[in-house]
Amino acid sequence: AQKVTQAQTEISVVEKEDVTLDCVYETRDTTYYLFWYKQPPSGELVFLIRRNSFDEQNEISGRYSWNFQKSTSSFNFTITASQVVDSAVYFCALSEGAHNFNKFYFGSGTKLNVKP
Amino acid sequence: DTAVSQTPKYLVTQMGNDKSIKCEQNLGHDTMYWYKQDSKKFLKIMFSYNNKELIINETVPNRFSPKSPDKAHLNLHINSLELGDSAVYFCASSQDTRQPQHFGDGTRLSIL
Repeated sequence: AQKVTQAQTEISVVEKEDVTLDCVYETRDTTYYLFWYKQPPSGELVFLIRRNSFDEQNEISGRYSWNFQKSTSSFNFTITASQVVDSAVYFCALSEGAHNFNKFYFGSGTKLNVKP
Repeated sequence: DTAVSQTPKYLVTQMGNDKSIKCEQNLGHDTMYWYKQDSKKFLKIMFSYNNKELIINETVPNRFSPKSPDKAHLNLHINSLELGDSAVYFCASSQDTRQPQHFGDGTRLSIL
């Protein structure tokens, strides 16, 4: 079974639309960390956010917001009023491993196309 | 100053050759990683070192051997290159595996 599932392979929206990227994870650990990374067409990987398992508060950063729900093992990412520059592949990731967090998994990524 | 730098950026070589990719970080991080990203963008962790000690060693062919001379460097040596090794290899670093990772720009390896 996949530890991190990003079921949406590719999403296309028109500029200014809102879009939500889904991430579902699987772990038996009580302490774990979740991340989102962005990979624009230029290829570099950029860190967006980290959330630990004890902090279920949603977070907003400009047009970006994240919804963490332990009850559904989901950590979804919403872009409000999308822009062409948001076009990228977005990866969700999980760090687990009891005391030493030596297990790290990336989801398969969601490619977001924002059209003008 | 580049935080995580890996060289070379492109590597084109023939099947059967041995090659190395170097990675250096100047962030003072204790943990470094190697990832392989295939043509479908799937990103898979290969190795991780913490203070020169191997902490993550995923199932990869033993033709791949990481070497960490000090905590600022993690090099990847690949023996007997095969067609399936063609991919982009990313180096990354973080303070520990619970912290965000900083990635290098990637090395695109093409096997002829």
